[in-house]
Amino acid sequence: AQSVTQPDIHITVSEGASLELRCNYSYGATPYLFWYVQSPGQGLQLLLKYFSGDTLVQGIKGFEAEFKRSQSSFNLRKPSVHWSDAAEYFCAVGVLGAGNMLTFGGGTRLMVKP
Amino acid sequence: GAVVSQHPSRVICKSGTSVKIECRSLDFQATTMFWYRQFPKKSLMLMATSNEGSKATYEQGVEKDKFLINHASLTLSTLTVTSAHPEDSSFYICSAPKGGSAEAFFGQGTRLTVV
Repeated sequence: AQSVTQPDIHITVSEGASLELRCNYSYGATPYLFWYVQSPGQGLQLLLKYFSGDTLVQGIKGFEAEFKRSQSSFNLRKPSVHWSDAAEYFCAVGVLGAGNMLTFGGGTRLMVKP
Repeated sequence: GAVVSQHPSRVICKSGTSVKIECRSLDFQATTMFWYRQFPKKSLMLMATSNEGSKATYEQGVEKDKFLINHASLTLSTLTVTSAHPEDSSFYICSAPKGGSAEAFFGQGTRLTVV
């Protein structure tokens, strides 16, 4: 069975600083990987996704992620964080054969200092 | 992108009553939908897979008599929390895959509070 680990439960960065959120997955085949953001009390918004091809994926709001098969990682990055980026971030792995069921990581709560 | 609508977004109910949550795919048909539950400050856990025209598949530890799932049409799945108790208070969110896409589209979520 697939699994996703987000090692950092909380991260605090200063506004304007760069950001990297870590995500490691375990899955026997090539995974479909996703990053979602959730603001307090809100649903999930898809930031970006990797299915195949270029391992560096660009998403919305200036986010990008890089798929590294050798490290089983799909880390999310942003060069300059804005205060509005403060939210909960979830990495997820999808299994196409299972009807696109997703397995989520535990989430990383991002706080942004002014 | 595809649109999945979930209703209601918030509901407060009394202990012992039942609450129905609807998940609709607005611009595509979904033979499968997924229901997730999110505890406060926790991640999303898959509860069950809803299958159109057949019984839902529940994950281990999820009470099927407590969480009734009906997928009566290709665009609608419902989750009914029966005889709700305060410990059922949570954020429930559905998703639906669109044929030909490996992406799952999520509803807005429903925050259930049982008092």
